[in-house]
Amino acid sequence: DGGITQSPKYLFRKEGQNVTLSCEQNLNHDAMYWYRQDPGQGLRLIYYSQIVNDFQKGDIAEGYSVSREKKESFPLTVTSAQKNPTAFYLCASSFGLPRAGNTIYFGEGSWLTVV
Amino acid sequence: QQQVKQSPQSLIVQKGGISIINCAYENTAFDYFPWYQQFPGKGPALLIAIRPDVSEKKEGRFTISFNKSAKQFSLHIMDSQPGDSATYFCAARGFYNQGGKLIFGQGTELSVKP
Repeated sequence: DGGITQSPKYLFRKEGQNVTLSCEQNLNHDAMYWYRQDPGQGLRLIYYSQIVNDFQKGDIAEGYSVSREKKESFPLTVTSAQKNPTAFYLCASSFGLPRAGNTIYFGEGSWLTVV
Repeated sequence: QQQVKQSPQSLIVQKGGISIINCAYENTAFDYFPWYQQFPGKGPALLIAIRPDVSEKKEGRFTISFNKSAKQFSLHIMDSQPGDSATYFCAARGFYNQGGKLIFGQGTELSVKP
């Protein structure tokens, strides 16, 4: 099946720990994105990457880090510097350039809870 | 200039009624306006999208109306069904120098009562 796979679905983090959320896509998309979703706030962009080995900060990048070593993979690390990490995290991907038909597809999401 | 404002925050409609969700934007550089549907615990899925050179687009029971001069667009769901109960997000996308990223509205939680 083609699509975007996020893992784990549920993750618990202790104070002071770093955790990494996995995102893999087999759609041959160039661009990948990480969004954070909080109730009543819509989706906010954390990081995005248009090509391998390149990525840019989104609107709320502080306390997060990413890498893009392979076209298929875009893992997100939530560091201990992120003071309020409890949220629903969504990975997405699309073909690179913003032209007609450049749909952004989302994964099923990962729930992160601080305990 | 990067915001997309969506209203209402929640909406209750009777089965068979029309659901209307509105969005407004400020940045005239936006060139693509999709709507996404999200069920609880799932990722958003593209529902319908429009470009600013078109005033209306219809797909089945879903219609986007676009008013470029007012910088507003809306989603109409005709003959609303309980299965339409979900959260709906409007979004807007900038030109290539913004990375093609989407700017999302705050979301509308739609509940269709039987």
